[in-house]
Amino acid sequence: DAGITQSPRHKVTETGTPVTLRCHQTENHRYMYWYRQDPGHGLRLIHYSYGVKDTDKGEVSDGYSVSRSKTEDFLLTLESATSSQTSVYFCAISESRTEIYEQYFGPGTRLTVT
Amino acid sequence: AQKITQTQPGMFVQEKEAVTLDCTYDTSDQSYGLFWYKQPSSGEMIFLIYQGSYDEQNATEGRYSLNFQKARKSANLVISASQLGDSAMYFCAMRSKTGNQFYFGTGTSLTVIP
Repeated sequence: DAGITQSPRHKVTETGTPVTLRCHQTENHRYMYWYRQDPGHGLRLIHYSYGVKDTDKGEVSDGYSVSRSKTEDFLLTLESATSSQTSVYFCAISESRTEIYEQYFGPGTRLTVT
Repeated sequence: AQKITQTQPGMFVQEKEAVTLDCTYDTSDQSYGLFWYKQPSSGEMIFLIYQGSYDEQNATEGRYSLNFQKARKSANLVISASQLGDSAMYFCAMRSKTGNQFYFGTGTSLTVIP
């Protein structure tokens, strides 16, 4: 199994509070991704990173920011959480050294905004 | 724009029978990769199988095979000899070789009936 951890695994927070989710990898993979999963929508990309301090927006980036100061850590921040951000958040990693580029996923973080 | 379509929200299959899960995609890229992931009720995302756009043969991994029809832009997953443990959500995904993003379908929920 790829070495990907997410913390926290579960979080309940109130509307308007800041929240930071952490993704940590031990695989030294170049690419890291944050997705949210909601019923009827599958997985939607929030932000991704293609190296330290190199990040780009995905299709649902509004209300989220990211940072990657080390290869192994990718942080997702909700500056002011809203109820629409209640979701399951998945981190994923990928590496361009192989032809396939498959993604490996973390266990997910269930976030509830009340 | 890249898009993945899975038109079967739910499927049922008898144990030991084969089942096909549909996936169509839309891309203007010449080089891309197609993936299938399994998500059991426990929530983790498990990589199943990969097909490259230039691969001439359909990919196979154990009981999983990918029926790739490039002209029709379809990449259907075939599961042979279904087992109760195959009951899960299945997601089709695509990655453009020129980009860093993955695009996911909305998923198909498969239930294997004893």
